[in-house]
Amino acid sequence: DIVMTQSPDSLAVSLGERATINCKSSQSVLYSSNNKNYLAWYQQKPGQPPKLLIHWASTRESGVPDRFSGSGSGTDFTLTISSLQAEDVAVYYCQQYYGIPFTFGPGTKVDIK
Amino acid sequence: EVQLLESGGGLVQPGGSLRLSCAASGFTFSSYAMSWVRQAPGKGLEWVSSISDSGSGTYYIDSVKGRFTISRDNSKNTLYLQMNSLRGEDTAVYYCAKRGSSGWHDYWGQGTLVTVSS
Repeated sequence: DIVMTQSPDSLAVSLGERATINCKSSQSVLYSSNNKNYLAWYQQKPGQPPKLLIHWASTRESGVPDRFSGSGSGTDFTLTISSLQAEDVAVYYCQQYYGIPFTFGPGTKVDIK
Repeated sequence: EVQLLESGGGLVQPGGSLRLSCAASGFTFSSYAMSWVRQAPGKGLEWVSSISDSGSGTYYIDSVKGRFTISRDNSKNTLYLQMNSLRGEDTAVYYCAKRGSSGWHDYWGQGTLVTVSS
C-alpha cells in the first residue's frame, strides 16, 4: 500500500498570509505513460463532507478559488493557499489514486492566527 | 446538480449487519465508478470500497474483504454497501462518493453514521 504523510499536522496563519501544506507518498504516484501525478487534495470543514479542490496534483476544480494551488511531482507535493481567508479554516487531505487501495494523508488542520 | 443521499446507518451490535444505500441524482449514474469512504469519529478519511460503472469490477480495503460487499443498481441510480460481521473499528461516518474520470472523488454525500457497539 502507498502510505501518505502530511506536514505539518496543524498550522495557524494570519488572514491574508500564505499557508503551505506538504504531502509525501511512500512511492512515486507519477505514471510515466501519461506523465500525470495521481494525487488529489480535499478540504473538509467541520460537520461537512470533504470537497475536492485539486486533482492531477495541480488541476484546480471548477469553482475553487485561484488562491488554492497544487504543485509537486513523484513523491512530494504541496498545497498552497496564497492569501488565507476566514472561510479556509478546515482540515486538508491529500489522496493518491495511483494504486488500490486509494489512501489519504492524515490531514492538516488550518486555523487563523 | 449532483446529489448523493446516504441512508441505512444506525446502531448495531458487534457481529451484526447493515446495508447502506446511496441514492444518486444529477448525473448519468451508470457512467461513473463510485466509492464508499469512511471517517471514524475525530479521525481522518479511509477509502473502503469502489465499484466500476457497470458493476463488474469491485475493490476493497483489506480490513473489510470478505465482510463488506459493494454493489449498484444502475436502473435505480443507487449504490449499496452490505456490511456483515461488523466490528467496533467499523464505527464511522460512511460517505458515498462519485469518482471522477480517474480515482479522485469529485462529489460526496453528507454521510451516514454507523455505530457498532453492544
